[in-house]
Amino acid sequence: DAGITQSPRHKVTETGTPVTLRCHQTENHRYMYWYRQDPGHGLRLIHYSYGVKDTDKGEVSDGYSVSRSKTEDFLLTLESATSSQTSVYFCAIRGTGSGEQYFGPGTRLTVT
Amino acid sequence: DQQVKQNSPSLSVQEGRISILNCDYTNSMFDYFLWYKKYPAEGPTFLISISSIKDKNEDGRFTVFLNKSAKHLSLHIVPSQPGDSAVYFCAASDGNTGKLIFGQGTTLQVKP
Repeated sequence: DAGITQSPRHKVTETGTPVTLRCHQTENHRYMYWYRQDPGHGLRLIHYSYGVKDTDKGEVSDGYSVSRSKTEDFLLTLESATSSQTSVYFCAIRGTGSGEQYFGPGTRLTVT
Repeated sequence: DQQVKQNSPSLSVQEGRISILNCDYTNSMFDYFLWYKKYPAEGPTFLISISSIKDKNEDGRFTVFLNKSAKHLSLHIVPSQPGDSAVYFCAASDGNTGKLIFGQGTTLQVKP
């Protein structure tokens, strides 16, 4: 258990509304990541953070922004949700061993 | 252009037999290769990894083989158990950022 929680676990929202997903970790890891999982695509990186206020884009960052104001929290924001952002979102932290990351339980987001 | 590919969407094996899951990659600069297991409604769970300078790593029933010349890795599960039934993702790690690039996943079914 890497001490990662995600909130909310499920959310249904309407097209055009803003949505913020939260990832919280308790073990002071420097690196945090947001992925989305869609059928046929595996997991794809949205954004990642390498420290407080230090973030960078992943391969599917369009339509998403992130913020990290303290080590334990990494927020993912959909400024104006679209149906194509219906997905399962996973947060992860970087381990200290052999390249591994540890994942949270996920947030299922449905945009109607 | 997909850098990590799992060409078999599904695999079915009998309990007690060997399961072999395969993965191909295109980028020679990855430093680690990893396997994750995922049950429905849960986050991916790290199983085993291998450094790009190794060709084999073993952990209990799980063994990962890396063939650098063919840019191919495989996960062997021996003996397979019904509890191993899940989706398996291979992933490759970027050493600088820790970013993971995932394959599409293979659904393993182990029949009693």
